Amino acid sequence: EPEVTQTPSHQVTQMGQEVILRCVPISNHLYFYWYRQILGQKVEFLVSFYNNEISEKSEIFDDQFSVERPDGSNFTLKIRSTKLEDSAMYFCASRPDPVAYGYTFGSGTRLTVV
Amino acid sequence: AQSVTQLGSHVSVSEGALVLLRCNYSSSVPPYLFWYVQYPNQGLQLLLKYTSAATLVKGINGFEAEFKKSETSFHLTKPSAHMSDAAEYFCAVSDRRGSNYKLTFGKGTLLTVNP
Repeated sequence: EPEVTQTPSHQVTQMGQEVILRCVPISNHLYFYWYRQILGQKVEFLVSFYNNEISEKSEIFDDQFSVERPDGSNFTLKIRSTKLEDSAMYFCASRPDPVAYGYTFGSGTRLTVV
Repeated sequence: AQSVTQLGSHVSVSEGALVLLRCNYSSSVPPYLFWYVQYPNQGLQLLLKYTSAATLVKGINGFEAEFKKSETSFHLTKPSAHMSDAAEYFCAVSDRRGSNYKLTFGKGTLLTVNP
């Protein structure tokens, strides 16, 4: 069964450093998402991406965050200057059209900012 | 705005007992509804989904859920709990308006299964 692949599985970074989280969505999917889950809290929407542009973003997704799909296969989330509160599990998801086929999530990247 | 409420952050059952995890949603249009399971240190795995076909939806691992529009509920059940069912369960709703269909998650219910 096709999978969404996320790398790395764990990343530790110093506060103020830039990080890039990588995702390879399922190849025939058209819609891409990033979610995050702070330890012990619920999964929160960050951003959605369709047709090479952001289609919606949450209040969390401020100027420190960016996404891109540089080569038609990878989908990346960049945090420019990490803060302690960015420590969380970040999930990538993708889905085809129509949405009834459902979303597939990756196994996540655990980001720890020290 | 749509929202999801999961009643009970922690549910504990005995092995072989009925599992009932509650989920209520708020949406101005009939939504798509999902249940995901998360095992420790793992990602989100889809258990089942409601997309306007049958109101009783069967998923993996013996789980099922019933969409009740009048009660705005989508409770998850399993007749007989197994030790391997111990995990965190998330209910999620996707609004049908527009084309983005982002998921809004509930806070999750941690299921423990006692021998």
